[in-house]
Amino acid sequence: EVHLVQSGAEVKKPGESLKISCKTSGYRFTEYWIGWIRQMPGKGLEWMGIIYPGDSDMRYRPSFQGQVTMSADNAITTAYLQWDSLKASDTAMYYCARLEGDGYNSDYFHYWGQGTLVAVPS
Amino acid sequence: SSELTQDPAVSVALGQTVRITCQGDSLRRYYASWYQQKPGQAPVPVLYGKDNRPSGVPDRFSGSKSGNTASLTITGTQAEDEADYYCNSRDISGYFLVFGGGTKLTVL
Repeated sequence: EVHLVQSGAEVKKPGESLKISCKTSGYRFTEYWIGWIRQMPGKGLEWMGIIYPGDSDMRYRPSFQGQVTMSADNAITTAYLQWDSLKASDTAMYYCARLEGDGYNSDYFHYWGQGTLVAVPS
Repeated sequence: SSELTQDPAVSVALGQTVRITCQGDSLRRYYASWYQQKPGQAPVPVLYGKDNRPSGVPDRFSGSKSGNTASLTITGTQAEDEADYYCNSRDISGYFLVFGGGTKLTVL
C-alpha cells in the first residue's frame, strides 16, 4: 500500500531556514514524480513543482523558482522541500503528492501526504 | 494561457445533478484531473484522464471534455459531496502543471 507521510507542523521566524519532508513507502520511489502543492490560508491549491527521484529531474513553477528547493534521498525514499530564508508570506499548508498517468496528456496526483503546516509569524 | 478558470461557487439541491467546469487553452490538448477537498483535509482525486475514477470513488462522479472546457458532473448529489473541487492539468507548454482556482460546492 502506498503511503506519503509528511513531517510535522513548523513555526519559524522570518529569515530562518526550513526543510520539510515527505516519507514514501509501498512503491518504487525512483519511478514516479513527486509534486509539491501549496495552500495558503483560506485559498486554493497552487502547484509549486515536481521532482523525479530516478534522475533528479525537476520542474519549478516560475514563481517558485529560486524561492524553494526540492530534493530527494532515494536511499530513504524521502522527498524534501526547503527554504533558505522564510518570509511571512510562506505561511501555508504544503502537500506532497505522487504523480501518475500516461506521461502525456493524462496525469493526476493519486496519493497525497497529510500536509505540513508552516507558520512564519511576522 | 497557462491558467485554468473555475466558477468560485456552485450550489445544487440534494439528489440533483451538478456540473462543475474548468476552462483553459491547455485543455484542448490535455485532460484535466479533479480533486475534492473537505475542510481540514488533504485533497482527494475523484477523476482523471478521459473519464476515470480512482478506486473507491462513487460512480455518480463523471467527467467530460469539449474544446477548452473540462467538466466534472455529479449525478444524484449527496450531502457528503459538499466540498471544494479543483481541476488540474498541464499548462499550454506541457512542461508545467497548474490548478484551477477551485469551486465551492454547496448542497442545499
